[in-house]
Amino acid sequence: GESVGLHLPTLSVQEGDNSIINCAYSNSASDYFIWYKQESGKGPQFIIDIRSNMDKRQGQRVTVLLNKTVKHLSLQIAATQPGDSAVYFCAENSYPGGGADGLTFGKGTHLIIQP
Amino acid sequence: EAEVAQSPRYKITEKSQAVAFWCDPISGHATLYWYRQILGQGPELLVQFQDESVVDDSQLPKDRFSAERLKGVDSTLKIQPAELGDSAMYLCASSLGLAGNYEQYFGPGTRLTVT
Repeated sequence: GESVGLHLPTLSVQEGDNSIINCAYSNSASDYFIWYKQESGKGPQFIIDIRSNMDKRQGQRVTVLLNKTVKHLSLQIAATQPGDSAVYFCAENSYPGGGADGLTFGKGTHLIIQP
Repeated sequence: EAEVAQSPRYKITEKSQAVAFWCDPISGHATLYWYRQILGQGPELLVQFQDESVVDDSQLPKDRFSAERLKGVDSTLKIQPAELGDSAMYLCASSLGLAGNYEQYFGPGTRLTVT
C-alpha cells in the first residue's frame, strides 16, 4: 500500500552542524506534509508544514524542502543543538474524502547530537 | 499554553481484560483523533471525530476496539478484550478543524502494556 517512509533510522551529527533528515512518500495525491519531533515519553510536536503548491518553507532554524517530481521531503535543522535530539517523523495527508484527514506517518529518524 | 490531556499515562493489563483510555482535547477543538504508536514506528490513525460524529474509523479493529465522544468534547477509547499485540502508545490529538488548515496537537499518550 502507499506509505510515507524515511531513508535512515538513525542520524548522528556534531553539535553546531546542520542536520538533514529525508523522507520519501509514494502517494502522489498527498497535498499536505508535516514534520514532527518526538522526544522520549512525549507525544509528537509540530515543527513545520508545507503544502504541495510550495517547494520550500522556512521557520526558526528549520527549513522544509518538497520535491514533488521525485516525491521527496527533507527537513534541515541549522546549528543543531543538544535539545534537537529526538525522533523526527514526516507525515502526509491526502484527504481521502468525507472529511477524513488523519495523518499518515513514516517510521521516524532518530537524531543523535554528538558533543 | 493549552494542552491535550490523556489519562492514565501508563497502564498494565493482562490479556483478555478490558482497558479504557481518556482524552480531553484543547478547549474549542472540534476534531479529535486517536492514534496508535507501536515502539519504533510512527503513529497510525485509529479513529477521527468531528464533534461527536465519527468521520473515519476505517483502521479501527472494531471487533475489540470502540471509541466514543458523546458530548463532542472528551473521548474514551476502549479495548475489550486486550491482546498481547495491543501493547503500544495510544496518542490523542486535536485540532480546530481540518488538519490541512489547522495544526494537530498531540497529547503525551498512554503507554499500554499487555501481559
